[in-house]
Amino acid sequence: KAGVTQTPRYLIKTRGQQVTLSCSPISGHRSVSWYQQTPGQGLQFLFEYFSETQRNKGNFPGRFSGRQFSNSRSEMNVSTLELGDSALYLCASSVTRGISYEQYFGPGTRLTVT
Amino acid sequence: AQKVTQAQTEISVVEKEDVTLDCVYETRDTTYYLFWYKQPPSGELVFLIRRNSFDEQNEISGRYSWNFQKSTSSFNFTITASQVVDSAVYFCALSEADRDDKIIFGKGTRLHILP
Repeated sequence: KAGVTQTPRYLIKTRGQQVTLSCSPISGHRSVSWYQQTPGQGLQFLFEYFSETQRNKGNFPGRFSGRQFSNSRSEMNVSTLELGDSALYLCASSVTRGISYEQYFGPGTRLTVT
Repeated sequence: AQKVTQAQTEISVVEKEDVTLDCVYETRDTTYYLFWYKQPPSGELVFLIRRNSFDEQNEISGRYSWNFQKSTSSFNFTITASQVVDSAVYFCALSEADRDDKIIFGKGTRLHILP
């Protein structure tokens, strides 16, 4: 079965622009979560979507937003980009079956803001 | 306050040695989840385990084992008979179920397995 896919894989943007990243989860997974990884701050949780509803949100400014579509695909958007938004953005899809939990990550989108 | 501490920044061991990665957490909640993740040099994060706070049984999966001790707020990860492919950065994480499931990561431990 296909894994989690993220597009684009690499992106260069200028300060002040906005960007949209896409994530396609594993088929059948309804939960999609997003993470930001930077050398300085490490791994940080952005938000989680389940069945088109934002279920959890990390401590990020309102410039960071996301959504999930009826096919579970998710997008995250960052508006008014800042240099500090340069990071690896990881998406994961997960499923809980009884006590069993599985989570799979995509390869990430590396965003560079200049 | 919610916090995850991985005191070992970097560890190097010779192949076939056993190695334990430490994880100490802080939480005010009684219901929470603990995680371990692996990030090999390729950069893709790999989920290893999620443990519920009510389940203190140790877990073994092949060469990997996890020791959960509530009394010391620790969730340590041991790799037995390490292999070069185990070289990676390992992250421990905590999610408090009563606080919107926000997940907090430790800073990670970089593990080098020397041939």
